[in-house]
Amino acid sequence: ETGVTQTPRHLVMGMTNKKSLKCEQHLGHNAMYWYKQSAKKPLELMFVYSLEERVENNSVPSRFSPECPNSSHLFLHLHTLQPEDSALYLCASSQVLYTEAFFGQGTRLTVV
Amino acid sequence: KNEVEQSPQNLTAQEGEFITINCSYSVGISALHWLQQHPGGGIVSLFMLSSGKKKHGRLIATINIQEKHSSLHITASHPRDSAVYICAVRSYLMYSGGGADGLTFGKGTHLIIQP
Repeated sequence: ETGVTQTPRHLVMGMTNKKSLKCEQHLGHNAMYWYKQSAKKPLELMFVYSLEERVENNSVPSRFSPECPNSSHLFLHLHTLQPEDSALYLCASSQVLYTEAFFGQGTRLTVV
Repeated sequence: KNEVEQSPQNLTAQEGEFITINCSYSVGISALHWLQQHPGGGIVSLFMLSSGKKKHGRLIATINIQEKHSSLHITASHPRDSAVYICAVRSYLMYSGGGADGLTFGKGTHLIIQP
């Protein structure tokens, strides 16, 4: 248990669906991150938030939309995804931007 | 862009064996992380180091800045050590390339420890 909780753990969605991934941390961290892990590929950084403001959007398609309503919660809203978006989506947080991060268990997303 | 290479990609060993996983990178870094990812997907940070050596239980991580190389060692390996071990480096901003935060990940080493 790292203190970072992601829900749901597994998600299957159709290409026309809209769904959201949730990440929650009560570690008092100020920075939160979304990562994507595709099969046989290294982790890819998607979004970075610091003090609830988006710091970086690493060239992610607009069908992925992040939201950070407060420093403890981070969402990733999904709409009109493609099958190649199927992957493990990991949330992480760190006390200060770009320092050692604590990861959640991930959401295994399958787009059909 | 910093390139991170891990070896081996896959490793199967018997319980009790001494395990070494290697990580090499191409340009200067400010820190190197070793992460452990279990089959369920969750990732745990094992070490963050910028020089020398760190030890935690049966795990030891070393880094040689001049040679741009780090190793993760597991002593008295156990089946519960079976996981993917990922090396990630934090580059100086001028070399950051891929990751917006200057963090570049290796592809991971898949370790299986058999009883």
